[in-house]
Amino acid sequence: AQSVSQHNHHVILSEAASLELGCNYSYGGTVNLFWYVQYPGQHLQLLLKYFSGDPLVKGIKGFEAEFIKSKFSFNLRKPSVQWSDTAEYFCAVKGGNTPLVFGKGTRLSVIA
Amino acid sequence: GAVVSQHPSRVICKSGTSVKIECRSLDFQATTMFWYRQFPKKSLMLMATSNEGSKATYEQGVEKDKFLINHASLTLSTLTVTSAHPEDSSFYICSAPTPSGFYNEQFFGPGTRLTVL
Repeated sequence: AQSVSQHNHHVILSEAASLELGCNYSYGGTVNLFWYVQYPGQHLQLLLKYFSGDPLVKGIKGFEAEFIKSKFSFNLRKPSVQWSDTAEYFCAVKGGNTPLVFGKGTRLSVIA
Repeated sequence: GAVVSQHPSRVICKSGTSVKIECRSLDFQATTMFWYRQFPKKSLMLMATSNEGSKATYEQGVEKDKFLINHASLTLSTLTVTSAHPEDSSFYICSAPTPSGFYNEQFFGPGTRLTVL
C-alpha cells in the first residue's frame, strides 16, 4: 500500500525566510503528486500538482515543488514566506487506481 | 472554480443520537464523492467513496452500518453517523473530482466538526 511521509510536524519561520517542506512517498508505479494547503478555518485548496513532464512544478502564491523520482520525494519550496502563508500543508499521492493518500501535514507558522 | 459545500459546519450531539452531514457540489455534477475523516494533528483518512445511484465503497476498517452514505443525486451525498459516540468526534471532509472527470484532482468541502458528548 502506498504511504506518504511528511517529516516536519511544525515549522516556524520568520517572514522573508525560505521554506522547504519535505514529502516522501512509497509506491512502485507511476504517481500523481499534490500539495494542498489549509488556511485556518478554511477548506483544503490545491497549491500545485505533478502529473508528468517537467519535474519542477510551479503553483500558486509563489510555491514550487520538485519531483525527484529516484528519491521518491516531492518537496515544497518557497523562496520568501509571508505571514499569510501560515497554514497547514498536506502532501498527497495518487498511484494508479488507488485512492488519494495524504501525509500527516506540516503546520507552518510565519512570524513577523 | 468548482465549489463543494458541507452542512452543517459544526454539530454537537448527545451520545446515541444520529447525525447527518450533507455534501453538495454547487456548480457541477459529481457522480463520485469522497468522505474523509481528519483527526487532530493527523492526516485525512479516506473513509469511503460515494457513488451516485449505487452503494458506497468503504475503506478497510470503516464500519458500513456506523457510517451510512447515500448519494441520491448528482450534486448531493450524505454521511450519517449512526448512534454516535464520543470516539466518533472528529472533522469530516468531503470532496468531489473536478468537473472534467479527471479523477486525480479533487475539490474539497470546508469540513464538518462533529462533537459527541
